Amino acid sequence: EIVLTQSPTTMTASPGEKVTITCRASSSVSYMHWYQQKPGASPKPWIYETSKLASGVPDRFSGSGSGTSYSLTINNMEAEDAATYYCQQWNYPNTFGAGTKLELK
Amino acid sequence: EVQLVESGGGLVQPGRSLKLSCAASGFTFSNYYMAWVRQAPKKGLEWVATISTSGSRTYYPDSVKGRFTISRDNAKSSLYLQMNSLKSEDTATYYCARHRVLQSHFDYWGQGVMVTVSS
Repeated sequence: EIVLTQSPTTMTASPGEKVTITCRASSSVSYMHWYQQKPGASPKPWIYETSKLASGVPDRFSGSGSGTSYSLTINNMEAEDAATYYCQQWNYPNTFGAGTKLELK
Repeated sequence: EVQLVESGGGLVQPGRSLKLSCAASGFTFSNYYMAWVRQAPKKGLEWVATISTSGSRTYYPDSVKGRFTISRDNAKSSLYLQMNSLKSEDTATYYCARHRVLQSHFDYWGQGVMVTVSS
């Protein structure tokens, strides 16, 4: 089973700040998906196949990476971006990272 | 509009069974793989099961293999999860989710249904 390690576990960012969340895989994967979840809500697809933005996702978000290292970046943090972000890979079995909680400073 | 609506959750004793349902609408159900993903209270996401478009292939992680069974009825646009021999660690919100093919991301999620396993 491929283990996904996200870092940091929690972080705070000020409006306008650049944010980077990292997801490291225990073995090489072909691509990474990312989800955003806010308290009391279902997860939402956010970035898929490493770098493609899901419908409605602002273009201040971007995704990159390959092999065992992937990242989600927010240019110019906004209040609405405060949430928990999960990475996910599909090399059977499907696994998720433990999540990164992003808070507004 | 794509909608996934789960039902069937509740409180169940350890060792007992429960069956979840997910009613799908707004898309051609038979064209998509479907899955269940769960989230224990205050915890992260865990994939539970996936089923192919026809239902002929199913996939599970070791944590539920042999206890959970995913199935679908394409005529009714419905997805199911039969959960047997439930354990306290199965306590979670269970989400129904859609994905286009096995390796693709989950592009739509239901609102979730809570399952509590406790005596």
